[in-house]
Amino acid sequence: SQTIHQWPATLVQPVGSPLSLECTVEGTSNPNLYWYRQAAGRGLQLLFYSVGIGQISSEVPQNLSASRPQDRQFILSSKKLLLSDSGFYLCAWSVPWTGSYGYTFGSGTRLTVV
Amino acid sequence: QKEVEQNSGPLSVPEGAIASLNCTYSDRGSQSFFWYRQYSGKSPELIMSIYSNGDKEDGRFTAQLNKASQYVSLLIRDSQPSDSATYLCAVNIEGGTSYGKLTFGQGTILTVHP
Repeated sequence: SQTIHQWPATLVQPVGSPLSLECTVEGTSNPNLYWYRQAAGRGLQLLFYSVGIGQISSEVPQNLSASRPQDRQFILSSKKLLLSDSGFYLCAWSVPWTGSYGYTFGSGTRLTVV
Repeated sequence: QKEVEQNSGPLSVPEGAIASLNCTYSDRGSQSFFWYRQYSGKSPELIMSIYSNGDKEDGRFTAQLNKASQYVSLLIRDSQPSDSATYLCAVNIEGGTSYGKLTFGQGTILTVHP
C-alpha cells in the first residue's frame, strides 16, 4: 500500500530564517506531488506541483521554492521566511497523469513564523 | 468567479439529523468529484468520490452529482458529533495541462450538536 510521510509536524521559525520541509511517498512510482498551504480558517492554496523528477510548476509567486530530487521526494524551501508564510503546509500525492483517484495528503506541517 | 464554490457555513445540525452539504463548479469539463473531511488541526481525508450523474452511497454518506446543473452534494445521514469537521469539495478536469490537479472549494464547517 502507498504511504506518504511529511515532517516535521510543527515548526516555529524566526522571520528571515530558512525553511526546509520534506515529503516522501512509498509504495508507488512516478507520483504526481503537490505542496499546499492552508492559512488559519482559509481554504487550500496550491503552491507547487510536480509530475516528475526535476519538474516543478509554481502556482503562486512567493518567496518559497520546491524541488524534487528523487522520484518520491518533494521538498519545500525558503531562504528567508516572512510572517505571512505561517500556515499549515500539506504535501499530497496522486496517481500520475490523472486526477481520477483524488489526492492522498500527508499529515501536514504547522509552521509559525515569529 | 470561483471555480468551486461551497457555503462556508457553519452548518449546524442536531445529532441524528441529515446534514446536506453543497458544492457548485464552473467548468463543464470537470469529470471527477471528491469530498474530503478535515478535522481541526488535521489533514484532509478522502471520504467520497463520484464520477457519474446520480447518487453514490457509502455507509451513512451519499454523494450526488448533477453535471447538467454543475453541482455535487454530500448527504450525511444519522449525523454524529464525530462528523463535526470541515468538508472540502474538490473537482478534477481531465486532460490538457491539468495533470490531474484538483481544484478545491473553501470548505463548509459542519457542527453536529448532541
